[in-house]
Amino acid sequence: SQTIHQWPATLVQPVGSPLSLECTVEGTSNPNLYWYRQAAGRGLQLLFYSVGIGQISSEVPQNLSASRPQDRQFILSSKKLLLSDSGFYLCAWNLGEFGEQFFGPGTRLTVL
Amino acid sequence: SQQGEEDPQALSIQEGENATMNCSYKTSINNLQWYRQNSGRGLVHLILIRSNEREKHSGRLRVTLDTSKKSSSLLITASRAADTASYFCAYVTSGSRLTFGEGTQLTVNP
Repeated sequence: SQTIHQWPATLVQPVGSPLSLECTVEGTSNPNLYWYRQAAGRGLQLLFYSVGIGQISSEVPQNLSASRPQDRQFILSSKKLLLSDSGFYLCAWNLGEFGEQFFGPGTRLTVL
Repeated sequence: SQQGEEDPQALSIQEGENATMNCSYKTSINNLQWYRQNSGRGLVHLILIRSNEREKHSGRLRVTLDTSKKSSSLLITASRAADTASYFCAYVTSGSRLTFGEGTQLTVNP
């Protein structure tokens, strides 16, 4: 069966510090991978998605970047965090362009 | 904005009652999906309805889709306290990835 992991679960970082969030998927090959951000009490905003190794599409210009160094690994990064980067970050995967997505447990990021 | 809209934003009902949540969107879609999110957790996929389908059932869930009105509804019958969560609609178009609504916060009181 397929599983998706995210870490860390929670993170508190000072403004201006770097960020690296990792997401890995097990039990499937060549998944589409997604990074979302969710503000408190709001819906999900798609940040990045990837259809293959090294292929990254950015949906929203921002202080963040993403990379996919391996087929089932997706990394969200920042060189210098802003207060506005605080939020709940969710990784997801699916197969095919239109199918259901499977979400990881999320990372709660607080930038102080 | 291409984002879907959901109403109500919050819904509080008693156990055993039915809960209905609505979703509207603005473009032609390939399919529409409903997800559930418990507080502080990831989302869980509930049901997917394709643009050529009008109604779909899964257990206590019933989803309808009216493409002429660009709207969908999620009905949870005989609700339980464990159904307390946020519910999101999300839709896919041919030119974009999954777009989420703002969600409905459902509280089922025991």
